[in-house]
Amino acid sequence: GAGVSQTPSNKVTEKGKYVELRCDPISGHTALYWYRQSLGQGPEFLIYFQGTGAADDSGLPNDRFFAVRPEGSVSTLKIQRTERGDSAVYLCASSRQREENEQFFGPGTRLTVL
Amino acid sequence: GDSVTQMEGPVTLSEEAFLTINCTYTATGYPSLFWYVQYPGEGLQLLLKATKADDKGSNKGFEATYRKETTSFHLEKGSVQVSDSAVYFCARRSSGGSNYKLTFGKGTLLTVNP
Repeated sequence: GAGVSQTPSNKVTEKGKYVELRCDPISGHTALYWYRQSLGQGPEFLIYFQGTGAADDSGLPNDRFFAVRPEGSVSTLKIQRTERGDSAVYLCASSRQREENEQFFGPGTRLTVL
Repeated sequence: GDSVTQMEGPVTLSEEAFLTINCTYTATGYPSLFWYVQYPGEGLQLLLKATKADDKGSNKGFEATYRKETTSFHLEKGSVQVSDSAVYFCARRSSGGSNYKLTFGKGTLLTVNP
């Protein structure tokens, strides 16, 4: 079956611009996660959704970052006034309802801020 | 807080060599432990996991044993293949109320030469 998909696969933007990154989870997965992977680092947790609500957004680095999941399926990570330090691969994962279930990862969106 | 420390790479081996990638974790609670693999151009995939002390996770010839006394979860394979070339990440699940959150090591790049 279809896995987690993310679009775009690559995004190049200029400093100060606004970007949106999209995640389509596996059908039926109610839990959705965003992670950020900087160069040479492992993925770092950003935010966790259970259904439509953000159950934990403690990993978002600052208020320029925001994520939504209005219908409990597709999620969008939004970054305002992008900075060069935001350049990274943004990973999305989804899992079945129970938190301890396996997280399935998408291929990521590589964001480059010039 | 939760953290994972894994052997820094890169690691370069010849085909059929023995592989060990070391991983240690902070002993906060009783976390589940994981090894993820990222093949070139692909997303993170779960390779194996262990949920309690002395458990051994295994998959595709790889093994790792949950060692509570040394807070370690080292990845091993007796005979690597060229197709094992990838980045390997050790990870732990947070304990208690944040058990949806994965904390990753920095990753170890493995290159296997024919």
